[in-house]
Amino acid sequence: GAGVSQSPRYKVAKRGQDVALRCDPISGHVSLFWYQQALGQGPEFLTYFQNEAQLDKSGLPSDRFFAERPEGSVSTLKIQRTQQEDSAVYLCASSLGSGGYYGYTFGSGTRLTVV
Amino acid sequence: GESVGLHLPTLSVQEGDNSIINCAYSNSASDYFIWYKQESGKGPQFIIDIRSNMDKRQGQRVTVLLNKTVKHLSLQIAATQPGDSAVYFCAETHKAQGAQKLVFGQGTRLTINP
Repeated sequence: GAGVSQSPRYKVAKRGQDVALRCDPISGHVSLFWYQQALGQGPEFLTYFQNEAQLDKSGLPSDRFFAERPEGSVSTLKIQRTQQEDSAVYLCASSLGSGGYYGYTFGSGTRLTVV
Repeated sequence: GESVGLHLPTLSVQEGDNSIINCAYSNSASDYFIWYKQESGKGPQFIIDIRSNMDKRQGQRVTVLLNKTVKHLSLQIAATQPGDSAVYFCAETHKAQGAQKLVFGQGTRLTINP
């Protein structure tokens, strides 16, 4: 597609519920990133994929967070047993290249509210 | 820890005036900096970038200045327009991170007065 597509746009989850957030990167983009943006804050890095390989997951806040990109295209961020502190906008970005200074294109994000 | 921050959380300017948004970074190893614009309900949008071997870079109505001595970055927007209203973030990365993981500042909200 023309841009990075994320779904759903909004998700309300009850505390303890599992959620799955989807990211469709720009076709052909090698690199894919997930960021978490709390209200009034800048995005914070969660994890990075190069094709299907997850090369950096240092930003995942707990083992309740899991990301995958099995075929090197679409990615899913899964959060198990959601907590109120997980409420945030989850941004996905993709980049054409890897290992260099390539521009990111961000999606519009999924706003997760845990009640 | 390492961080990228902003001096002012909000900035209000008159339409047609120039805007200057500042950013301080603490990681001296940072070698690539990017300014993003984020409108409500949207993801960050690339504005302009600069590498550490430069001290100034110009785009259309925007200029980024980098002062490595004091670890300071600024974004200048000329002839500010209503469409410039948004939150602006600086972000940095460096080669040790493979130029992949960006560290963002808190952001500055720019408001344009008619």
